[in-house]
Amino acid sequence: SAVISQKPSRDICQRGTSLTIQCQVDSQVTMMFWYRQQPGQSLTLIATANQGSEATYESGFVIDKFPISRPNLTFSTLTVSNMSPEDSSIYLCSARPARGTDTQYFGPGTRLTVL
Amino acid sequence: QKEVEQNSGPLSVPEGAIASLNCTYSDRGSQSFFWYRQYSGKSPELIMSIYSNGDKEDGRFTAQLNKASQYVSLLIRDSQPSDSATYLCAVFRSEKLTFGTGTRLTIIP
Repeated sequence: SAVISQKPSRDICQRGTSLTIQCQVDSQVTMMFWYRQQPGQSLTLIATANQGSEATYESGFVIDKFPISRPNLTFSTLTVSNMSPEDSSIYLCSARPARGTDTQYFGPGTRLTVL
Repeated sequence: QKEVEQNSGPLSVPEGAIASLNCTYSDRGSQSFFWYRQYSGKSPELIMSIYSNGDKEDGRFTAQLNKASQYVSLLIRDSQPSDSATYLCAVFRSEKLTFGTGTRLTIIP
């Protein structure tokens, strides 16, 4: 398995500002992902964070709004840019530890409230 | 049609009884299947994975897969109050996990 930590755990932000969420895994992992979970909803994949290259975004999500970095095999960041109240959500980092496996683990999440 | 469908519940089960959670999926090419448990305010926790038709048991949990019917289920035997949570079904295909909306389970003491 993989132990995943996220910072910050929660934040309250003003409209129009940006927040960067950090994700740290305790071991090298092949794949890292960012999900969003809106209140009372299930998880929606935002993007796959690719090590050393641009992230792969899902339909409805764009790099200008959600820039992602993954400088190495244990760390990734997600920035929520130019925030609006509709961005209020829980943002979850996830990782797949080993090549050839599809088992995926989640970090504790970042609860974001935009006023 | 949603890719992964679950009855949202809530499902109420007496303590000690069997809780049965169901999930259907639309993509016949789906490769593997997972059940996650999510307590309120917490992140999803992996509890079971299943890859081939039939049953897979782990303690009080049994996952069942029927690929012909595109159906996955999770049985929880001897339900405990600590099993009260939302259970998410997830389906893996093409390097991505797709989640259902989850079933909220309440175990009644």
